Amino acid sequence: SQKIEQNSEALNIQEGKTATLTCNYTNYSPAYLQWYRQDPGRGPVFLLLIRENEKEKRKERLKVTFDTTLKQSLFHITASQPADSATYLCAPLAHGNLIFGKGTKLSVKP
Amino acid sequence: KAGVTQTPRYLIKTRGQQVTLSCSPISGHRSVSWYQQTPGQGLQFLFEYFSETQRNKGNFPGRFSGRQFSNSRSEMNVSTLELGDSALYLCASSLGGQRGTGELFFGEGSRLTVL
Repeated sequence: SQKIEQNSEALNIQEGKTATLTCNYTNYSPAYLQWYRQDPGRGPVFLLLIRENEKEKRKERLKVTFDTTLKQSLFHITASQPADSATYLCAPLAHGNLIFGKGTKLSVKP
Repeated sequence: KAGVTQTPRYLIKTRGQQVTLSCSPISGHRSVSWYQQTPGQGLQFLFEYFSETQRNKGNFPGRFSGRQFSNSRSEMNVSTLELGDSALYLCASSLGGQRGTGELFFGEGSRLTVL
């Protein structure tokens, strides 16, 4: 069965540093992968989508890479700020629907 | 443009009861997906409806069912509630559905507690 793993449940970094979150998937080849942000008590909010034929996608301070050989996506937040503290979810497409990872809770300390 | 609206936001039920949750998608969106979110399992896909037809279904027992109306509003029902059904139920709408590479717009969720 399809499996999605996000590198760690929690990641703590200092303000101004780059946060790197990892999403690994097994047993399938998604046509695309999405990243979402979720704040406590709220629904997830879409951030970025990257297709299998794209190596990298950027949006302001966010960058996503997609390595179909390694079956891995990396999500970077540069110049991180305390307001970036949230849970980040990756969601590859599998058999017609998005399968979400359990998320990585990012805490950015001032 | 109004976002995705889910009702009720909070509810408490007892084992054996049933519950119906409602979702109003963004105007113009024809796809509605439902997810269950728990601390242990994360977001788990329940089903997706597109133009009143169930297009995809996750690995949940038959106690979980849903439907979509002609105005794209959707309801999901859980019968014979179990303690393990306590969760945040999230609805998400999109223009072309999950196959169309469109982003999902989530509601705030309905938090169900089963006692």
